[in-house]
Amino acid sequence: EAGVVQSPRYKIIEKKQPVAFWCNPISGHNTLYWYLQNLGQGPELLIRYENEEAVDDSQLPKDRFSAERLKGVDSTLKIQPAELGDSAVYLCASSLGRVNTGELFFGEGSRLTVL
Amino acid sequence: AQSVTQPDIHITVSEGASLELRCNYSYGATPYLFWYVQSPGQGLQLLLKYFSGDTLVQGIKGFEAEFKRSQSSFNLRKPSVHWSDAAEYFCAVGYGGSQGNLIFGKGTKLSVKP
Repeated sequence: EAGVVQSPRYKIIEKKQPVAFWCNPISGHNTLYWYLQNLGQGPELLIRYENEEAVDDSQLPKDRFSAERLKGVDSTLKIQPAELGDSAVYLCASSLGRVNTGELFFGEGSRLTVL
Repeated sequence: AQSVTQPDIHITVSEGASLELRCNYSYGATPYLFWYVQSPGQGLQLLLKYFSGDTLVQGIKGFEAEFKRSQSSFNLRKPSVHWSDAAEYFCAVGYGGSQGNLIFGKGTKLSVKP
């Protein structure tokens, strides 16, 4: 079974440029998460989807970040414009819906460097 | 507010030695507790979890953890460390009805000496 797939793995951009990250969750997983991981820190939740509905986006900086999960499968996280402080790893994870083991399955992450 | 504290930023142990990584949590209700491992350049992988019942839980790769409510702790242990265990370890507490939202600690980096 394929795991959570993220792309690109690495992205280097100049500040003020836009960037987008894509995530394909494990088949059948209704819940999808985007986490931000700064260097030397644990992951922090940005947004959680139940199917196509964003049920928790309280930590998403909405002035520059946006996310979508059309059709309740793949998801895209966008930053526009990027700032130097956005340099980090963006992790996508998925899990079975509400009745689940509580286990999140993580992708390998997308490492963003903003110059 | 919920929080997770991992007091040790970096630990070095010799191969074959025992290991204990500390984790303390702050949560108002019965916690759902997890340990994840992250190898360099990789995503996080679940080692073990505690929801209820037996307070000593077994996980993959020979790891175990013990939930101690009185100490608000969920320490991770392994009796004999292998060089391949070198990685970063994250403790997390789940909250919300779905147990799907996790708060992670800042992690403990484990180095293994030959």
